[in-house]
Amino acid sequence: KAGVTQTPRYLIKTRGQQVTLSCSPISGHRSVSWYQQTPGQGLQFLFEYFSETQRNKGNFPGRFSGRQFSNSRSEMNVSTLELGDSALYLCASSLEWLGASSDTQYFGPGTRLTVL
Amino acid sequence: GESVGLHLPTLSVQEGDNSIINCAYSNSASDYFIWYKQESGKGPQFIIDIRSNMDKRQGQRVTVLLNKTVKHLSLQIAATQPGDSAVYFCAENARPSGTYKYIFGTGTRLKVLA
Repeated sequence: KAGVTQTPRYLIKTRGQQVTLSCSPISGHRSVSWYQQTPGQGLQFLFEYFSETQRNKGNFPGRFSGRQFSNSRSEMNVSTLELGDSALYLCASSLEWLGASSDTQYFGPGTRLTVL
Repeated sequence: GESVGLHLPTLSVQEGDNSIINCAYSNSASDYFIWYKQESGKGPQFIIDIRSNMDKRQGQRVTVLLNKTVKHLSLQIAATQPGDSAVYFCAENARPSGTYKYIFGTGTRLKVLA
């Protein structure tokens, strides 16, 4: 079974631009969560999507948004990029949503975003 | 507050020795915990998990111990190999303020010395 895939793997943008990242979960998984990983803050939860609905949300500004499609693929968008948005963005998939059961999350390789 | 922390940011062990990586968590209501391994340039890889109704779980060369009394989690790696060199994270399934999410520790870097 194929794992979680993320595209693109690397991205360079300038301040003020917007970016869209894509994540395809493991086949059969309906929950997709997004995380931001930086050396200073570690792994921080952004939000979770399940059945095309945002189920849970972390403490990030509204510039960070996402959506999920009927095939469970998810996209994350960051608008008006700031230097501090440079990070590794990871998505993780699981069978059920985070509140339904204690379900293992499996991660993709991440997208390395650099904001200049 | 919400936090999952690690006692040792860097752990160096000789090849063939056993490694123990520790983690403290703060949410007594958390009922599920996962250990992940992250190699350079890759996403976190699932190693082993444990539910709060257990205090020990074994996998292949790895054992996770859970002490709910002191809110402590540990990962034991037997006969540590060079391929075990990576950063290890513990994560708890928590629900602070009504939001369900995984809270990750800051990570411990494991260095295996030849």
